[in-house]
Amino acid sequence: GENVEQHPSTLSVQEGDSAVIKCTYSDSASNYFPWYKQELGKGPQLIIDIRSNVGEKKDQRIAVTLNKTAKHFSLHITETQPEDSAVYFCAAIRDNNDMRFGAGTRLTVKP
Amino acid sequence: DGGITQSPKYLFRKEGQNVTLSCEQNLNHDAMYWYRQDPGQGLRLIYYSQIVNDFQKGDIAEGYSVSREKKESFPLTVTSAQKNPTAFYLCASSIDSNTEAFFGQGTRLTVV
Repeated sequence: GENVEQHPSTLSVQEGDSAVIKCTYSDSASNYFPWYKQELGKGPQLIIDIRSNVGEKKDQRIAVTLNKTAKHFSLHITETQPEDSAVYFCAAIRDNNDMRFGAGTRLTVKP
Repeated sequence: DGGITQSPKYLFRKEGQNVTLSCEQNLNHDAMYWYRQDPGQGLRLIYYSQIVNDFQKGDIAEGYSVSREKKESFPLTVTSAQKNPTAFYLCASSIDSNTEAFFGQGTRLTVV
């Protein structure tokens, strides 16, 4: 199955700074790349996703970039706020297959 | 309201007992998933089902069993064969694997 690696495992930034989380994947047939945010004691929620026919997607302060040749994609959060503090997971998925996630990044935004 | 519901939220089990975690969705989703999350760790896939009456093992299926007799329901049984069952269990569903997955609120299982 797909192998997704996620870095860093922890990330601490000052409020207002940018945060970047990177993921690499192994299966070149993967074509869907979602990012989920998990707050303490809750289930993850989708924050942004990108498909393989697109190189970049932006939604307000959040953006995702995809490099299919290198098989890596990244989450960018600008103007971070304390409420952005959470665990973020990436996934790389191919058609009719299971969902495998990266190991997660714990983001802390310091006021 | 449409959604995915896990119950119970907290569950205590004596060592050696089987226990079943419930997962129900009314989103008309075909695909359903079970994940295990240990403290400070990522999501590890236990089982998944793409359609009724069919399911596949994930990375850590040993000691677990599932059934998918109805589209809405995907219960997970943690058997006594699971060596270290204390964890946070998350169920998810999606139309298919290439669309947004919706997660339940999780069940925290503690073996005492």
